[in-house]
Amino acid sequence: NAGVTQTPKFQVLKTGQSMTLQCAQDMNHNSMYWYRQDPGMGLRLIYYSASEGTTDKGEVPNGYNVSRLNKREFSLRLESAAPSQTSVYFCASSEVSGSVWTALGSISYTFGSGTRLTVV
Amino acid sequence: RKEVEQDPGPFNVPEGATVAFNCTYSNSASQSFFWYRQDCRKEPKLLMSVYSSGNEDGRFTAQLNRASQYISLLIRDSKLSDSATYLCVVSPIASSYKLIFGSGTRLLVRP
Repeated sequence: NAGVTQTPKFQVLKTGQSMTLQCAQDMNHNSMYWYRQDPGMGLRLIYYSASEGTTDKGEVPNGYNVSRLNKREFSLRLESAAPSQTSVYFCASSEVSGSVWTALGSISYTFGSGTRLTVV
Repeated sequence: RKEVEQDPGPFNVPEGATVAFNCTYSNSASQSFFWYRQDCRKEPKLLMSVYSSGNEDGRFTAQLNRASQYISLLIRDSKLSDSATYLCVVSPIASSYKLIFGSGTRLLVRP
């Protein structure tokens, strides 16, 4: 099925360990994103890639790095995991229909099923 | 102040009830608005976009009030399957396709 695939679905890390979360989309979307979701905080943007070859920081980038490997894949790396990074991580990709700056424009995000990460 | 604020709820309503959620946003230059639905431990999914003129999709009606900077979602004839968390989402004009998510309003529909 077309969509966004994230791996792994669950992960437990020890403080200081590193790991990479993988994300791939097969919808030919240009933009991809990494969000984290914590109770009561909503989804917060970590990094995003507006197009292949570009990446930019979001609201909470500290402690993370990203790689836009190609148009399909966007990975998130934790170099030295900390308990504060315990969260649910969502990857997403988007397309834009019409013009986003008009009432007819619309951004459609498709999310992966998430990675539940616990850092102990 | 959060950029997008929602009442966390939960809103506990019987089947068949009409329920409304509001959401306020702080950036007056925001251009695009959406409601997403998130089921427990699942990913968010787009429910509907919110247009300046308001829009309706079956039992769901979304309204935008730019002057007061709030967005509303009305659900008529609630179903058990409507139980979920509803996320208010805003796109700031200065960003390229980035979305700002509210923390969500939880709805519980009881038999």
